[in-house]
Amino acid sequence: AQKVTQAQTEISVVEKEDVTLDCVYETRDTTYYLFWYKQPPSGELVFLIRRNSFDEQNEISGRYSWNFQKSTSSFNFTITASQVVDSAVYFCALSEGYGQNFVFGPGTRLSVLP
Amino acid sequence: NAGVTQTPKFRVLKTGQSMTLLCAQDMNHEYMYWYRQDPGMGLRLIHYSVGEGTTAKGEVPDGYNVSRLKKQNFLLGLESAAPSQTSVYFCASSPQLWSGTGRSTNEKLFFGSGTQLSVL
Repeated sequence: AQKVTQAQTEISVVEKEDVTLDCVYETRDTTYYLFWYKQPPSGELVFLIRRNSFDEQNEISGRYSWNFQKSTSSFNFTITASQVVDSAVYFCALSEGYGQNFVFGPGTRLSVLP
Repeated sequence: NAGVTQTPKFRVLKTGQSMTLLCAQDMNHEYMYWYRQDPGMGLRLIHYSVGEGTTAKGEVPDGYNVSRLKKQNFLLGLESAAPSQTSVYFCASSPQLWSGTGRSTNEKLFFGSGTQLSVL
């Protein structure tokens, strides 16, 4: 069975601080996909990144970076020099190969204070 | 580009009433999903469909029914609404793409803007 854990329920940082959001997953498949979504206060779900299980390269996109480590079943998300606009709920999700069944973690609410 | 459209955006029901939420996508996606979002629980899958005419149960299917008579539409029905079904409902779709080895790849979900449902 697949499962996603986001142990941090809420995080508060001051603007310009770096912050890392943790994501730990469980799966028995060797082929799987990991995702991060952002849900700002307006409520829509915004896609951030997709990573497959065969690609362990870390990725950087502007102030965002992702650290995928299969050895610890983690897919952590770091925001560098956080901004108020980063305030949102962030969801990590897992989809096992072939099933197209996505499982979401409970989310981490990030508040960036000015 | 409309993407995924959900109607209605808000609805208030009384216990026992029925209603249907409509999800429409114009991207020719094979897969469609209904999720519910409750505080502290993330998004939980209610039902999903891997193609026209097919549906399958997700994690929390009880009290809901779905239909996918046309590829572009995925309907979620509540036959007898209960207060426990007060939630935000999201529809999503995703394409079926194929890797070079002929295997289907799991692409990202495209979400609608959500429906806030309150059952009194």
